[in-house]
Amino acid sequence: DTGVSQDPRHKITKRGQNVTFRCDPISEHNRLYWYRQTLGQGPEFLTYFQNEAQLEKSRLLSDRFSAERPKGSFSTLEIQRTEQGDSAMYLCASSLQGRMNTEAFFGQGTRLTVV
Amino acid sequence: KNEVEQSPQNLTAQEGEFITINCSYSVGISALHWLQQHPGGGIVSLFMLSSGKKKHGRLIATINIQEKHSSLHITASHPRDSAVYICAVLLRIGTDKLIFGTGTRLQVFP
Repeated sequence: DTGVSQDPRHKITKRGQNVTFRCDPISEHNRLYWYRQTLGQGPEFLTYFQNEAQLEKSRLLSDRFSAERPKGSFSTLEIQRTEQGDSAMYLCASSLQGRMNTEAFFGQGTRLTVV
Repeated sequence: KNEVEQSPQNLTAQEGEFITINCSYSVGISALHWLQQHPGGGIVSLFMLSSGKKKHGRLIATINIQEKHSSLHITASHPRDSAVYICAVLLRIGTDKLIFGTGTRLQVFP
């Protein structure tokens, strides 16, 4: 158990629907990251937060994607008007910023299937 | 060309064999991670390296910063080692995000 939890673990949705995923990081970690992993590939960076501030967003994150971390604790990732290409594993990780080369802890991921 | 390349992509071994997975990168890094991913998706951090060598149980990770290369070794492999092993690098300058390789799928047969 890494301490990072994601909910739900699996989500099947119809194309065009909106979905929201939640990530609860390790409590003292102030950095939170979202990655996306498609079948047979390594994870790709989507966005990351330091506390409640969103510091960087990937160009992969289209206008249909939005992420929040309102109180600097848990984070949500919302996908609006889902498309079949959004089907992937969405991974959350957290780390403690302020130390050089900090270790990142990953959640179990949310597997999204858009049908 | 990907910034992080792993080889081989797939690897099968008999229980007890010594295994090596390689990772090469083309960017300046401050650290390199070796990660393990089991079916079902969860990722576990095995090592974080910025120089030299680390050992944990039957796992050994080495890094050569000058050659931009790292290896993960598994001694006396076991079927429970079957997983995808992923190399990821943290850039030396700027962003704090990890850049991942595509992973090496390892299957160890009894």
